[in-house]
Amino acid sequence: GAGVSQSPSNKVTEKGKDVELRCDPISGHTALYWYRQSLGQGLEFLIYFQGNSAPDKSGLPSDRFSAERTGGSVSTLTIQRTQQEDSAVYLCASSLEGTIGELFFGEGSRLTVL
Amino acid sequence: AQSVSQHNHHVILSEAASLELGCNYSYGGTVNLFWYVQYPGQHLQLLLKYFSGDPLVKGIKGFEAEFIKSKFSFNLRKPSVQWSDTAEYFCAVTPNTDKLIFGTGTRLQVFP
Repeated sequence: GAGVSQSPSNKVTEKGKDVELRCDPISGHTALYWYRQSLGQGLEFLIYFQGNSAPDKSGLPSDRFSAERTGGSVSTLTIQRTQQEDSAVYLCASSLEGTIGELFFGEGSRLTVL
Repeated sequence: AQSVSQHNHHVILSEAASLELGCNYSYGGTVNLFWYVQYPGQHLQLLLKYFSGDPLVKGIKGFEAEFIKSKFSFNLRKPSVQWSDTAEYFCAVTPNTDKLIFGTGTRLQVFP
């Protein structure tokens, strides 16, 4: 596709359930990022994939959060045993190798945990 | 702790007023600096960037930003705002790595 695609756009779940959020980056982009956007918190870095290198997971808030990227393309962010404080918009972005900081963002997945 | 700070959380202006949004960072060494914008209902997009050279950089839609190394600042400016500039503005830094760290954002409302 022309841009970064994320699904679902909206997800409502019950506390304690697991959720999976999907990101399809721009074709040819080697770097992929996940951020979390909450009111008053700005954009919180979660995880960063760059090519075949080990991902930078330093932003994941707890071991309930994990992400993988298959075949250097599509990525899935998984949140296990969701809590109400996980409610936020989860943003995915991708960039070309060598274009430091020039990210292309998706529309985001809005997660609401009841 | 190392961070990116945006002290103006919410700014309200009338059209034609001048704008300056503050951004300070606390990382040492080489940094690359960015401003991103999120218009209502749209995704985040790059407004301008600074890597090196002239510390005054110009971006899209008449925006500019000045890197002042001694103040660890990268403030965003526009001489005359328009209603269409209503958006949320995020300052961001890549401190020595490709990992982009964002500030908390500034919500700008421009009234006609």
